[in-house]
Amino acid sequence: DQQVKQNSPSLSVQEGRISILNCDYTNSMFDYFLWYKKYPAEGPTFLISISSIKDKNEDGRFTVFLNKSAKHLSLHIVPSQPGDSAVYFCAAGHTGTASKLTFGTGTRLQVTL
Amino acid sequence: DGGITQSPKYLFRKEGQNVTLSCEQNLNHDAMYWYRQDPGQGLRLIYYSQIVNDFQKGDIAEGYSVSREKKESFPLTVTSAQKNPTAFYLCASSMSDSLYEQYFGPGTRLTVT
Repeated sequence: DQQVKQNSPSLSVQEGRISILNCDYTNSMFDYFLWYKKYPAEGPTFLISISSIKDKNEDGRFTVFLNKSAKHLSLHIVPSQPGDSAVYFCAAGHTGTASKLTFGTGTRLQVTL
Repeated sequence: DGGITQSPKYLFRKEGQNVTLSCEQNLNHDAMYWYRQDPGQGLRLIYYSQIVNDFQKGDIAEGYSVSREKKESFPLTVTSAQKNPTAFYLCASSMSDSLYEQYFGPGTRLTVT
């Protein structure tokens, strides 16, 4: 039962354009969402998070949007840079099971010149 | 430099042998976690510990064991009972007041033949 889904395994975007990575979830108990970035053979790096009381959180070039009614969140990267090429994981947690995160399968972003 | 150390980066074992993966952190984090990543899949939680001398099973604990005798250390033993032990193993930690934002080590790739 995949509670967090990233339906696009890969995405290619030109440098300077916007990258939009999507994530859907099924568990309505989730109240905290995170995005992680991962390079090959390395551990994931925390990027940005959002709590369910918000619908948007911004940090520099990265913005996460949350649509609770649609159980959907997205990560926008603008402008995209070649160094952004990595696998991006969406993760979710809920207060009732503090500590446990459920991860999506990841989207590989390729930023081309 | 504060961080999470996992050693070794690559580990090879023969089928039927137990193997222990090391995870050490000097971030003074209370909580620690073990995940497994397989190709095309997200991170799946094996075990986690929110405090010394206490730990809980994650979603795929069968065939694994852990200990948490020190705050800094959370070793994972992959036993011969684990049917598909070849994978990339990631250790993470988080502060007790920010349980969701987990910080990851560089990972250990275990190959069992």
